[in-house]
Amino acid sequence: EAGVAQSPRYKIIEKRQSVAFWCNPISGHATLYWYQQILGQGPKLLIQFQNNGVVDDSQLPKDRFSAERLKGVDSTLKIQPAKLEDSAVYLCASSLEGGAGNTIYFGEGSWLTVV
Amino acid sequence: SQQGEEDPQALSIQEGENATMNCSYKTSINNLQWYRQNSGRGLVHLILIRSNEREKHSGRLRVTLDTSKKSSSLLITASRAADTASYFCATDLLLTNSGYALNFGKGTSLLVTP
Repeated sequence: EAGVAQSPRYKIIEKRQSVAFWCNPISGHATLYWYQQILGQGPKLLIQFQNNGVVDDSQLPKDRFSAERLKGVDSTLKIQPAKLEDSAVYLCASSLEGGAGNTIYFGEGSWLTVV
Repeated sequence: SQQGEEDPQALSIQEGENATMNCSYKTSINNLQWYRQNSGRGLVHLILIRSNEREKHSGRLRVTLDTSKKSSSLLITASRAADTASYFCATDLLLTNSGYALNFGKGTSLLVTP
């Protein structure tokens, strides 16, 4: 079974530039998550999708971050304009359902450095 | 905010020794999960323990849960160099639309030396 695919793996941009990350979840997984992990910390949820609808985006900085999952499969996370503090690993994850106790499967992450 | 807090932040042991990591959390939970993250990689699910369970085993892993103390521990027995990684506990995060996600602690960084 293929895992969660993410690209690009690494990206370096200057502040105020834009960047987009792509994620393809495990086939059949209805729930997709984007997490942000700053170096030395645990992942923090940015947004959760159930199929193509947003379940929660309360921690997404909407002035600069946006995410979509138009056809209920793959997803894109965009940052525009980027700030220095956005340097982090952006982890995409998926699960069969969004209920409590579901195992969440993570991709390898997209490493962003903003200079 | 992060619900779980792992302790210690960093742990260094020799191969063959046991490693114990602790996690404390603040509010009532349905489940608690442990994940491992190798350097530069994504997180890998290790084990889930439900609130009505006290102990669970998976290979060299043993997880305990004490809901009265709001704490959990992960024990890795007979550690190997390949166990070197960061270990995170995660509790269910109830979202505004009644969905669930995972709320992670800051992790314990484990170094196993040959």
